[in-house]
Amino acid sequence: QVQLVQSGAEVKRPGASVKVSCKASGYTFTNYGIAWVRQAPGQGLEWMGWISGDNGNTNYAQKLQGRVTMTTDTSTSTAYMELRSLRSDDTAVYYCARYYYGSGSRMDVWGKGTTVTVSS
Amino acid sequence: QSALTQPASVSGSPGQSITISCTGTSSDVGGSNYVSWYQQHPGKAPKLMIYDVSNRPSGVSNRFFGSKSGNTASLTISGLQAEDEADYYCSSYTSSSTLGVFGGGTKLTVL
Repeated sequence: QVQLVQSGAEVKRPGASVKVSCKASGYTFTNYGIAWVRQAPGQGLEWMGWISGDNGNTNYAQKLQGRVTMTTDTSTSTAYMELRSLRSDDTAVYYCARYYYGSGSRMDVWGKGTTVTVSS
Repeated sequence: QSALTQPASVSGSPGQSITISCTGTSSDVGGSNYVSWYQQHPGKAPKLMIYDVSNRPSGVSNRFFGSKSGNTASLTISGLQAEDEADYYCSSYTSSSTLGVFGGGTKLTVL
């Protein structure tokens, strides 16, 4: 079955970086994108950006430009999201989701989430 | 501030129907057929319930119905069940960004 398995929880100091992985299985990785969405405690969903599974093209949220990098390794069907210069308001659950784009726009399969805590 | 406006909460009794609205602009909901709805139970990942305004993914109950009129999309849940109690988020493609936009979320309480 189609699934996305994310890496484990992280605790980071302010100013540090975090890299979250998302391993896909059960489908052709290059036929879809991978979107990243985060959710701060008690808050709603926030688009971070997405990466194309075939050519690696990226689209980032303006507020994260310069701090976020999304990459893929097609040999292992794994996507990565790195966030740098972490601040306390980056504390959130980070989700990856399979992203269908082109003649549509939807996230149809989600990972279980990775909790990132930023604290001194 | 979210780009799409949803009511903070709605409630209904088992067996009843409820509707959650999602209001945007002509740049997103009004100008797009790519509106989707996600259900999120506490501590769980979101789940796609409706895509392309009114399509249900395989496995989603036909009690969930999506529609759109002008700049407002709606999610209607009929025959409310206790398991429907969750947060619901709308999302839309937007012509003003390469990303989509989410609504602020609606908490559904089944009384």
